[in-house]
Amino acid sequence: GAVVSQHPSRVICKSGTSVKIECRSLDFQATTMFWYRQFPKQSLMLMATSNEGSKATYEQGVEKDKFLINHASLTLSTLTVTSAHPEDSSFYICSATQGVTYGYTFGSGTRLTVV
Amino acid sequence: GNSVTQMEGPVTLSEEAFLTINCTYTATGYPSLFWYVQYPGEGLQLLLKATKADDKGSNKGFEATYRKETTSFHLEKGSVQVSDSAVYFCALISGANSKLTFGKGITLSVRP
Repeated sequence: GAVVSQHPSRVICKSGTSVKIECRSLDFQATTMFWYRQFPKQSLMLMATSNEGSKATYEQGVEKDKFLINHASLTLSTLTVTSAHPEDSSFYICSATQGVTYGYTFGSGTRLTVV
Repeated sequence: GNSVTQMEGPVTLSEEAFLTINCTYTATGYPSLFWYVQYPGEGLQLLLKATKADDKGSNKGFEATYRKETTSFHLEKGSVQVSDSAVYFCALISGANSKLTFGKGITLSVRP
């Protein structure tokens, strides 16, 4: 079946530093990848949609200069949290798809803690 | 716009109890409906889906029927196990927009 690998699973960083999270589709080509943020005991909030080779489309209220998304290939998308602050601490999840009819596969998530 | 409403949680059941988790939706066109499960500290896994009215999705003893007349997609299981303890999300996709719309999720705890 379709597998998406997300790395790292946990990261702790200092305020002001940047953190990069990778999302890889291991056995399929992901034309579209999605990045979500999940707060404790809450649902997933879609942050942005990225299509291979084009700029990401950000949801309203998400700072594109703070959450940099790159989808350079059909198997890799990255989310970089720039100049991280404690309020950026959260669980970030990616998902990937070849197309709606193929379904969506989620990564295992990244727990970011900014201290 | 699209929206998904799930019953309020959390839900705590004893092992072998019957489970129902309600989900209703609002959507333009003819949505596809999904249930996802999230185990502690993990991402989401597709549990089951239905793509048209009256379809029944099933997996691991869980079932849900796409009811267009009541715009519902309630999740059921006849006998829950401790290993079913997780967060369950109802979701939909509708129209040309390929984005999943999620409900708020509900935490299920099953005690031995």
